[in-house]
Amino acid sequence: EAQVTQNPRYLITVTGKKLTVTCSQNMNHEYMSWYRQDPGLGLRQIYYSMNVEVTDKGDVPEGYKVSRKEKRNFPLILESPSPNQTSLYFCASSVMGGHTIYFGEGSWLTVV
Amino acid sequence: ELKVEQNPLFLSMQEGKNYTIYCNYSTTSDRLYWYRQDPGKSLESLFVLLSNGAVKQEGRLMASLDTKARLSTLHITAAVHDLSATYFCAVGYGGATNKLIFGTGTLLAVQP
Repeated sequence: EAQVTQNPRYLITVTGKKLTVTCSQNMNHEYMSWYRQDPGLGLRQIYYSMNVEVTDKGDVPEGYKVSRKEKRNFPLILESPSPNQTSLYFCASSVMGGHTIYFGEGSWLTVV
Repeated sequence: ELKVEQNPLFLSMQEGKNYTIYCNYSTTSDRLYWYRQDPGKSLESLFVLLSNGAVKQEGRLMASLDTKARLSTLHITAAVHDLSATYFCAVGYGGATNKLIFGTGTLLAVQP
């Protein structure tokens, strides 16, 4: 079954404590990206990757890092989380230029 | 900068009624997506519209695309309570990459 899997699904953490949200897909997709969803703002892209070792900033990259060491994995790293990063995060993947985009289940992150 | 405006933001309607959600975008794009999101859940793909004049229908939902007007509509026919959800349009942007620019979403509440 085609899947994009995110972990953790729910996390409450404290300001400044580094955390990583993992994302893994089983479809051999080249393209992966991270979005955050905030009320009244829809989803906004944080970072994306077009293949292994190829990453680039989206629209709201500040405070985040990513890596793409393997094709299937695209972790989102918050080096020093702050309360304004409290949000619902989605990972997505697709074939490059493909019309079908697969979203993960979402990760609820609360920074206190 | 590509902007996507979706309206209304909130729609309360009675069962059996018809209504339309509008999605305007500011620059040329080659694809337009509609998603449904239930509370706390991921995004469910409803439609992908790829060409001017494209119309797709699934059950009580019909989506259309006018690329010249940069407008897509999601029409709801004879609404039922099960359609209550948040609906997002998203515009594909960035050529071979699959970056999506999302509208702010329309929260649809169908009242019995």
